[in-house]
Amino acid sequence: KQEVTQIPAALSVPEGENLVLNCSFTDSAIYNLQWFRQDPGKGLTSLLLIQSSQREQTSGRLNASLDKSSGRSTLYIAASQPGDSATYLCAVATSGTYKYIFGTGTRLKVLA
Amino acid sequence: GAVVSQHPSWVICKSGTSVKIECRSLDFQATTMFWYRQFPKQSLMLMATSNEGSKATYEQGVEKDKFLINHASLTLSTLTVTSAHPEDSSFYICSASGQGMGDTQYFGPGTRLTVL
Repeated sequence: KQEVTQIPAALSVPEGENLVLNCSFTDSAIYNLQWFRQDPGKGLTSLLLIQSSQREQTSGRLNASLDKSSGRSTLYIAASQPGDSATYLCAVATSGTYKYIFGTGTRLKVLA
Repeated sequence: GAVVSQHPSWVICKSGTSVKIECRSLDFQATTMFWYRQFPKQSLMLMATSNEGSKATYEQGVEKDKFLINHASLTLSTLTVTSAHPEDSSFYICSASGQGMGDTQYFGPGTRLTVL
C-alpha cells in the first residue's frame, strides 16, 4: 500500500530564503508525482507534475525533482516571498491505478 | 484550459438531510472523475472513482449507500451525502481526467460541507 510522507510538517522562514520541501513514498512503481499548493479553506493549485520517466520539472522559482529508486521528491522554492505562504501537498499516482495518494502536507509561512 | 468547477462552494445543512455536490469539467470531456474528502488539518483522502456511464468504485471504508456518486455525462459528476451527520462535515474536492490529457487530474475548488 502506497504511503506518502512530507517533511517538515511546518516551516517558517524569512523572506528571500531558498527552501526545500521533502516528499517520500514507499512504492516506487509510480505513474507520476504532482506538487500542489493549497491556501486556507481553498482548493488545490497544481504547481508541477513529474512523470515517472522524468527527473525534474521547473516553473519559475519552483523546481521539483524525482528519484524513484529512493522514493523521494523535493520541491525547491527560490527566493521565497510572503505570497508563497500556503500548504504544499505532494501526491503520487501509483502505476496501474492512476489514483493519487496525498501526503500530509507542509505548512509554509514566509515572513516579511 | 482544463477547468473543473464545483457547486456549491459551501453548504450548511441540518443533520439527517441530504446534500448534493456537483463537479463539472468546463472545457473538456471527463471520462473519469475522482472524489476526495479532507478533514481539518488533514490531507486529502480518495473516496471513490467514477467513470462516465458506470458505477463508481469506492475506496475501502467509504459507505457507498451514504455517498452516492453519479457520473451520467462526460462533463458532470454528482456526490450526494445522504442523511448527513456532523461527522460528515468536511471539505469535498473532485478531480477529473479525460482522454488525450495524459491521465492528468485537474482539481475543482472544493465544497465545504457543514452539518449542524
